[in-house]
Amino acid sequence: SQQGEEDPQALSIQEGENATMNCSYKTSINNLQWYRQNSGRGLVHLILIRSNEREKHSGRLRVTLDTSKKSSSLLITASRAADTASYFCATAGTASKLTFGTGTRLQVTL
Amino acid sequence: GAVVSQHPSRVICKSGTSVKIECRSLDFQATTMFWYRQFPKQSLMLMATSNEGSKATYEQGVEKDKFLINHASLTLSTLTVTSAHPEDSSFYICSARDPNKETQYFGPGTRLLVL
Repeated sequence: SQQGEEDPQALSIQEGENATMNCSYKTSINNLQWYRQNSGRGLVHLILIRSNEREKHSGRLRVTLDTSKKSSSLLITASRAADTASYFCATAGTASKLTFGTGTRLQVTL
Repeated sequence: GAVVSQHPSRVICKSGTSVKIECRSLDFQATTMFWYRQFPKQSLMLMATSNEGSKATYEQGVEKDKFLINHASLTLSTLTVTSAHPEDSSFYICSARDPNKETQYFGPGTRLLVL
């Protein structure tokens, strides 16, 4: 399977804390993307980082990419209860197909 | 922003019947759409790539005669689960690729329950 792995599988934090999720993949990529999924819903695109980029920011999100280690991390700062969701990384190769990681379930409590 | 819709959002059917799920790209013309399947608390698994005007490309292990895909226009792709069985019960999600961007836009998903 080409599917990447994410850790932790589940993460529970309190509102205001930072949440860090990690993603590892197996093949060379054009870009890596992070998505969010609320329970039973579709996916929402969060951020895309290209293979020649090392770090990217978008609002409270910070993504890093280390192609030598084939890994990426997603940091959500100052988390809110509304950030509770599952987060998936997805890698894109030359064929535009996305290969999703196993996902991290984030629970942010008040 | 770009919007992809799916219909129906939820369907319950009897074993042996066929179910058609529609995926529409509302804001842009999508030459390529993708169909995914997701089991509870698991990740998305790509089933097939739907190409407008040509045959779909199926991933290894996905039966093309079981999961019929038709991409007849630049804004509509359909997935038909033929002779559905309880093990086909799952969450099916489509996505559409905006040719001017690198991202895919996902539909809200269709929950299929086969009794």
